[in-house]
Amino acid sequence: AQRVTQPEKLLSVFKGAPVELKCNYSYSGSPELFWYVQYSRQRLQLLLRHISRESIKGFTADLNKGETSFHLKKPFAQEEDSAMYYCALNYGGSQGNLIFGKGTKLSVKP
Amino acid sequence: DGGITQSPKYLFRKEGQNVTLSCEQNLNHDAMYWYRQDPGQGLRLIYYSQIVNDFQKGDIAEGYSVSREKKESFPLTVTSAQKNPTAFYLCASSLRQGGYEQYFGPGTRLTVT
Repeated sequence: AQRVTQPEKLLSVFKGAPVELKCNYSYSGSPELFWYVQYSRQRLQLLLRHISRESIKGFTADLNKGETSFHLKKPFAQEEDSAMYYCALNYGGSQGNLIFGKGTKLSVKP
Repeated sequence: DGGITQSPKYLFRKEGQNVTLSCEQNLNHDAMYWYRQDPGQGLRLIYYSQIVNDFQKGDIAEGYSVSREKKESFPLTVTSAQKNPTAFYLCASSLRQGGYEQYFGPGTRLTVT
């Protein structure tokens, strides 16, 4: 069965430090992976998707099919990056739905 | 002002009562979704709809019902059969089902006592 695992509930780093939020998935088909973010008092919103291969707000994520991972990285964390981050997998292609991980709360300290 | 709205923000009900949560979108999206968010559980899919007059059960549909009579609206009813109804409920929409970006509403926090 498909599954998304985010092993860290909470990740705390200092401003300027590198940050990596881990995401592993289990899916037998061709995966489509996403990172969604929820800032304090804001709605859940898409941060990036693996298909677009772009950097958003300095964040990047590379799909590693061998390790079944889609870790989110940023070389220098900022205080405004503090938020809840969810990794999500679309299973089923054009008829698929998202399955979300349980989320990682990122806290960037000054 | 475009987007997806949910009302009310907070809802309180007595055990045994059905309650309906509203979700409206003016994004002209075909697909709509209801999720339940519990602390430490992430988001779990309750129901989804690909198109008007069609909807499908998600992973945790028991005790819930929906309708999709209009493209813009996808109300969720939490029935008395739902054993643990107290939760934060999120509605979302996307252009179509599949790997399209989902746009989320602000959520409704339901408390049942």
